[in-house]
Amino acid sequence: GAVVSQHPSWVICKSGTSVKIECRSLDFQATTMFWYRQFPKQSLMLMATSNEGSKATYEQGVEKDKFLINHASLTLSTLTVTSAHPEDSSFYICSARDPGLSEKLFFGSGTQLSVL
Amino acid sequence: RKEVEQDPGPFNVPEGATVAFNCTYSNSASQSFFWYRQDCRKEPKLLMSVYSSGNEDGRFTAQLNRASQYISLLIRDSKLSDSATYLCWRGKLIFGQGTELSVKP
Repeated sequence: GAVVSQHPSWVICKSGTSVKIECRSLDFQATTMFWYRQFPKQSLMLMATSNEGSKATYEQGVEKDKFLINHASLTLSTLTVTSAHPEDSSFYICSARDPGLSEKLFFGSGTQLSVL
Repeated sequence: RKEVEQDPGPFNVPEGATVAFNCTYSNSASQSFFWYRQDCRKEPKLLMSVYSSGNEDGRFTAQLNRASQYISLLIRDSKLSDSATYLCWRGKLIFGQGTELSVKP
């Protein structure tokens, strides 16, 4: 299947700092990538759809200024958690579809964010 | 009603048991369905696609019932390594909340 790389795997930061998470499609071009958040024992919640060369589409209740998304190339999308607070601590996962593999969704390995 | 609903479990079964999960969906226009497996603090990995005609892969069988709007996953001869959370996905970025399976020796 397609390969999606996400970095870093773990982040521990102080409250008030910003954290950037990168998501790369390694063997295909992804015009669209998706960012999910997952709290313990809960399902994946779609936060936003990242569109290459244009603004991201955010789901209801997700603050655009809090979670900045940039999709500057066909293989890279970034999520920046600005002015992080302890309640932002969560597991963040990116995903993308390989156009050549139908509707299957492939995931990055996730980033566990802990805000102290 | 949520778009996709699953019984969160946990399902605690002994090794060798057969276990089945269901996932109901509310949008009758949904076309594609998949089962994903997620281990703790790991990314979901695609387990199998779900077709109306059924899909079997070794010990795993997936079924789609359009009339009743649910999909199912059957695991035969459960292994310890099958312990994970199983997520259903209807191909429109919406996941079920996952069903936790714990296989005990």
